[in-house]
Amino acid sequence: EIVLTQSPGTLSLSPGESATLSCRASQSVDRNYLTWYQQKPGQAPRLLIYGASNRATGIPDRFSGSQSGTDFTLTISRLEPEDFAVYYCQQHGNSLTFGGGTTVEIK
Amino acid sequence: QAQLVQSGAEVKKPGSSVTVSCEASGGTLNTYGINWVRQAPGQGLEWMGGVLPVFGTTNYAQKFRGRVTITADATTNTVYMQLSSLRSEDTAVYYCARAGYCIGGNCISGAFDIWGQGTMVTISS
Repeated sequence: EIVLTQSPGTLSLSPGESATLSCRASQSVDRNYLTWYQQKPGQAPRLLIYGASNRATGIPDRFSGSQSGTDFTLTISRLEPEDFAVYYCQQHGNSLTFGGGTTVEIK
Repeated sequence: QAQLVQSGAEVKKPGSSVTVSCEASGGTLNTYGINWVRQAPGQGLEWMGGVLPVFGTTNYAQKFRGRVTITADATTNTVYMQLSSLRSEDTAVYYCARAGYCIGGNCISGAFDIWGQGTMVTISS
């Protein structure tokens, strides 16, 4: 099973700042199979990024994804109040697993 | 706009089974995989398995094999998830989700673009 390790566990930032979230895979993951979600309390997850760097429909361009080897990064530039949430990465190249999540909270 | 509408909350006793349904409205299920993901209180997301309704093929997470059954009824555009031998650790919100993005088509799993509203399942004696 591919383990996805997300870091940091919690990111405390102010609106307007940028957030960099990491997702490290325990073995190689094809970029086509790496996805990012956002989840707010009491809501279902929302698709942000698929294929490591493709924004889903309606996702603002302040959200971007990238890859370097087994490290995947979600960057949120200029945090808006609605961006404070929990973010999960997911891979479906080898079975399907989720990372443990990163909470982006207001500082 | 396609939506996934799940059945209501359930309270079950340990050792029993639960079935949660997921109905597609505004579209058909057939061409997309439908998966089940659960979330225990205060915890992260856990994939359980999925089905490709057009073929009825399934794929289950190793952890749940033998205990979960996912089926699809194309006539009613509904997918069902049955979990048996329930224990307290199964208390969670259960989501169905559509694999809207996948490589090559006819995928059970993929990037989940549409999610149901979630169904709370509580296991209590």
